[in-house]
Amino acid sequence: GESVGLHLPTLSVQEGDNSIINCAYSNSASDYFIWYKQESGKGPQFIIDIRSNMDKRQGQRVTVLLNKTVKHLSLQIAATQPGDSAVYFCAETETGANNLFFGTGTRLTVIP
Amino acid sequence: GAVVSQHPSRVICKSGTSVKIECRSLDFQATTMFWYRQFPKKSLMLMATSNEGSKATYEQGVEKDKFLINHASLTLSTLTVTSAHPEDSSFYICSASRPASGGFLTYEQYFGPGTRLTVT
Repeated sequence: GESVGLHLPTLSVQEGDNSIINCAYSNSASDYFIWYKQESGKGPQFIIDIRSNMDKRQGQRVTVLLNKTVKHLSLQIAATQPGDSAVYFCAETETGANNLFFGTGTRLTVIP
Repeated sequence: GAVVSQHPSRVICKSGTSVKIECRSLDFQATTMFWYRQFPKKSLMLMATSNEGSKATYEQGVEKDKFLINHASLTLSTLTVTSAHPEDSSFYICSASRPASGGFLTYEQYFGPGTRLTVT
């Protein structure tokens, strides 16, 4: 399944299925993007990043896709596990800048 | 490495009192520290950027006299919520950045675990 939206959307998936979480960013000058995972009552944890000269980057069970034309990126999680349940945020910045701006976030719930 | 701590993790205070939240980089010296605010089911909103030994830079709409930031050293920044009111209740998260050791970025940010403030 997939989820798109400006409000904090929710996405429920069955354990073992693939998840797709989407994010629209706003600043055309942003050239670096990060996906974070935030569990309840905790700070964000780095998952994966991508630079604007790339369309795709893969990590362990995660893939980030970037479409600069429509200012959109997505996070794909393969074989989703209960431990993946969290809120996922994308963040954008510019190379050389020291600040991050966060997207709306998506709450992922994995059904055992 | 690159651990950031916050203290306290939770605080409840009465309306009108002030509350101080500490952010520490435990194993590195942070070039810059950032303070974010997060309402329930919402995203992180950057409040201010602070560099050691200089005044913090506040984002538009953030009252600097309400949210006092002190960055006394390269490993410690504090956020003081003055004359707190129930609408200040929120989850406050800090991050600390340092020059990147490789990869894409010039700087890397590391986040603290957050502080839950409840004003009654």
